Amino acid sequence: DAKTTQPTSMDCAEGRAANLPCNHSTISGNEYVYWYRQIHSQGPQYIIHGLKNNETNEMASLIITEDRKSSTLILPHATLRDTAVYYCIVRVGTNSGYALNFGKGTSLLVTP
Amino acid sequence: NAGVTQTPKFQVLKTGQSMTLQCAQDMNHNSMYWYRQDPGMGLRLIYYSASEGTTDKGEVPNGYNVSRLNKREFSLRLESAAPSQTSVYFCASSPGHSNQPQHFGDGTRLSIL
Repeated sequence: DAKTTQPTSMDCAEGRAANLPCNHSTISGNEYVYWYRQIHSQGPQYIIHGLKNNETNEMASLIITEDRKSSTLILPHATLRDTAVYYCIVRVGTNSGYALNFGKGTSLLVTP
Repeated sequence: NAGVTQTPKFQVLKTGQSMTLQCAQDMNHNSMYWYRQDPGMGLRLIYYSASEGTTDKGEVPNGYNVSRLNKREFSLRLESAAPSQTSVYFCASSPGHSNQPQHFGDGTRLSIL
């Protein structure tokens, strides 16, 4: 799996967009970018994933650069409940079970 | 809309006791997983089951056994608990095909004295 690099921590004001970057410069052509978050004491929550096109769902948007070496998760209107650790994971999609390497992630603090 | 359900949520054991952590999913997923998370660390895979009837070791399988009871249920057993197994245990499931993501339960917090 390609290695990912994320900032250790970020702050965001409530109501503003939170833009969380992830660098994955060694990504292979068949590797997907997944984003999860973990709110304190809860299980990891799946947010979004993509291969090369930008993706949007009810939670967030995922912007992947054209060369696929980096991506940005966008929470359009951050709320206090979005305070969590956000993980960017690069993984090949396979037909069998696989482990997710969560790494250290970015600790996002949303402030009033 | 239950998703992945883990029981119990909390448990305290004494060294040497045995225990089974239960996990059930209602999403008709083929693959199921057990992870552990220690303070300040990421999740580490203990065992997984790619499909009903199969199980495989992950990164940290020593001291654990698993059973894929049926498509819905995947249990994790500690035969002789040790303090080093104090952790938060997460179960996850996924369709098991293509790029579909894993979905996690809320965890079992296990303390071994």
